[in-house]
Amino acid sequence: GAGVSQSPSNKVTEKGKDVELRCDPISGHTALYWYRQSLGQGLEFLIYFQGNSAPDKSGLPSDRFSAERTGGSVSTLTIQRTQQEDSAVYLCASSSRTGNEQYFGPGTRLTVT
Amino acid sequence: GQQLNQSPQSMFIQEGEDVSMNCTSSSIFNTWLWYKQDPGEGPVLLIALYKAGELTSNGRLTAQFGITRKDSFLNISASIPSDVGIYFCAGLLASGYALNFGKGTSLLVTP
Repeated sequence: GAGVSQSPSNKVTEKGKDVELRCDPISGHTALYWYRQSLGQGLEFLIYFQGNSAPDKSGLPSDRFSAERTGGSVSTLTIQRTQQEDSAVYLCASSSRTGNEQYFGPGTRLTVT
Repeated sequence: GQQLNQSPQSMFIQEGEDVSMNCTSSSIFNTWLWYKQDPGEGPVLLIALYKAGELTSNGRLTAQFGITRKDSFLNISASIPSDVGIYFCAGLLASGYALNFGKGTSLLVTP
């Protein structure tokens, strides 16, 4: 079956602009996760959804970051007033339930100029 | 997040050699996962481990969940050029949902 998909694959934006990153999880997966991978850094957790609810938003770096999930499926990560330090690969993952193995999408490479 | 120490940081080996890498943590994990990431791609799940002492194979890959639940290792036997990539360990706490990742082992294989 289809894996996790993300769009766009690449995004170049100017500092100060808003961006939206989209994630389509594996069909039937109730848990969805966003991670960030920066050059020289490991993968850091941002937020997770169980259904449409986000019980833990503590990983979001600042209040410029927000995320939502609708219909228990598609999720959107929004970064407002982008800064250069936001440049990274944003990865989405999903799992059949919390605690199970997580499957990752190809990521969105964000470059803020 | 929890700190995972992954070693070695990089390996440069010849085709046919066996490879071993490991991860240690100060925390007890309920689940250990091993991923491989190719340039420009997302991490691909290789092996999932759920039980202390568990030894699991996936083709030429073998991974073990340490009995202390604070460590795991991954072995690759008879390496081939397509094994090139970055390998990540990841741990999940008992009540957790966020994967805690090691910093990765970069593997280079020469023909």
